Amino acid sequence: DTGVSQDPRHKITKRGQNVTFRCDPISEHNRLYWYRQTLGQGPEFLTYFQNEAQLEKSRLLSDRFSAERPKGSFSTLEIQRTEQGDSAMYLCASSAGTGGPGELFFGEGSRLTVL
Amino acid sequence: ILNVEQSPQSLHVQEGDSTNFTCSFPSSNFYALHWYRWETAKSPEALFVMTLNGDEKKKGRISATLNTKEGYSYLYIKGSQPEDSATYLCALNYGGATNKLIFGTGTLLAVQP
Repeated sequence: DTGVSQDPRHKITKRGQNVTFRCDPISEHNRLYWYRQTLGQGPEFLTYFQNEAQLEKSRLLSDRFSAERPKGSFSTLEIQRTEQGDSAMYLCASSAGTGGPGELFFGEGSRLTVL
Repeated sequence: ILNVEQSPQSLHVQEGDSTNFTCSFPSSNFYALHWYRWETAKSPEALFVMTLNGDEKKKGRISATLNTKEGYSYLYIKGSQPEDSATYLCALNYGGATNKLIFGTGTLLAVQP
């Protein structure tokens, strides 16, 4: 088990460009979450998948953001027409869907800098 | 608005000192409380998941207590070591199908040798 992996770890882009982040959860976990952390804040919930179904999206997730989890395995988070306010750490987490309040297993995050 | 507050925002202690942090939250609709440790350039790591009022959990030199009626949790570190330096995050799960977490802003601990 290699834990949750995220790619890329760092991304610097110019305003207006599109970026995509990938998350590979722990293989037997059917729940997958995306969070965003900006400077001085705690992680904020963005979206949640159970298997391949996206069951909840935060109001923080504007229409420039889209997330997918085809086949219920890895997930991608795409940001179109990036803005400087999108600069943040994007964290992916997974957990086993046993119904209880289980701990989340996080990746090391993808840090986005929009110039 | 569901708000999770942590204090202090940051803390500098000497090696060997014991320390504690506070997490406070609205007690209505409580389901579970999580504590995570986040070291620089690493992934956040779960320390404890607590669900019952009066819960006390311990892992090595770190322990936590929970009071759901008054809406707070304490995290204690006994005999701090430099490797304890990290941001400690508290997060609330108010239940529901997604089990999403609402995080506080964290307490940054720096332990000086």
